[in-house]
Amino acid sequence: AQSVAQPEDQVNVAEGNPLTVKCTYSVSGNPYLFWYVQYPNRGLQFLLKYITGDNLVKGSYGFEAEFNKSQTSFHLKKPSALVSDSALYFCAVSSSDTGRRALTFGSGTRLQVQP
Amino acid sequence: KAGVTQTPRYLIKTRGQQVTLSCSPISGHRSVSWYQQTPGQGLQFLFEYFSETQRNKGNFPGRFSGRQFSNSRSEMNVSTLELGDSALYLCASSADNWGLAEAFFGQGTRLTVV
Repeated sequence: AQSVAQPEDQVNVAEGNPLTVKCTYSVSGNPYLFWYVQYPNRGLQFLLKYITGDNLVKGSYGFEAEFNKSQTSFHLKKPSALVSDSALYFCAVSSSDTGRRALTFGSGTRLQVQP
Repeated sequence: KAGVTQTPRYLIKTRGQQVTLSCSPISGHRSVSWYQQTPGQGLQFLFEYFSETQRNKGNFPGRFSGRQFSNSRSEMNVSTLELGDSALYLCASSADNWGLAEAFFGQGTRLTVV
């Protein structure tokens, strides 16, 4: 079975500082990894994905993530946080072995950016 | 182009009733997935349809069912509602058949069972 762990329920960072939201995963087969963001009373918005290729993936709104196969991690990063980045962030995984559309989500990390 | 549209946005139902939720995917997307989001269980996969066929199903009881029409629109049905079915139900559509493209989510239908 595939699984995703987001070890931090909440991350607090000051505006202008770099941010990291952690994600580790477990799958059989090749992982397909995604980050989504959710604002209050809204659906999920896609940020970025890793399927294959370059381990550093760049996405929307200045976010990036690094795929680390040996550590089975896919941490989300941004060099300079904005107050408007405050939201709930989800890491998700599917794999080449299991149902490709069956995304397994982490529990979510609430990012709070203070002015 | 229009995003994923879910209707209705809010529903209040009584225990024992049944409910049908609707999802219109992005034009041209043939894969539609459904997820349940609750504070306790987080986001959980319900099922996925492609070209009117259910390809994947999550670990939910048979009270949860769905279907997809020839125009890719999808519905999910929950029968004999329980209090624990109160949740935000999210629909997502995707362009490809191989799981390589990102899923686009609707705003969800918030179901409250009383």
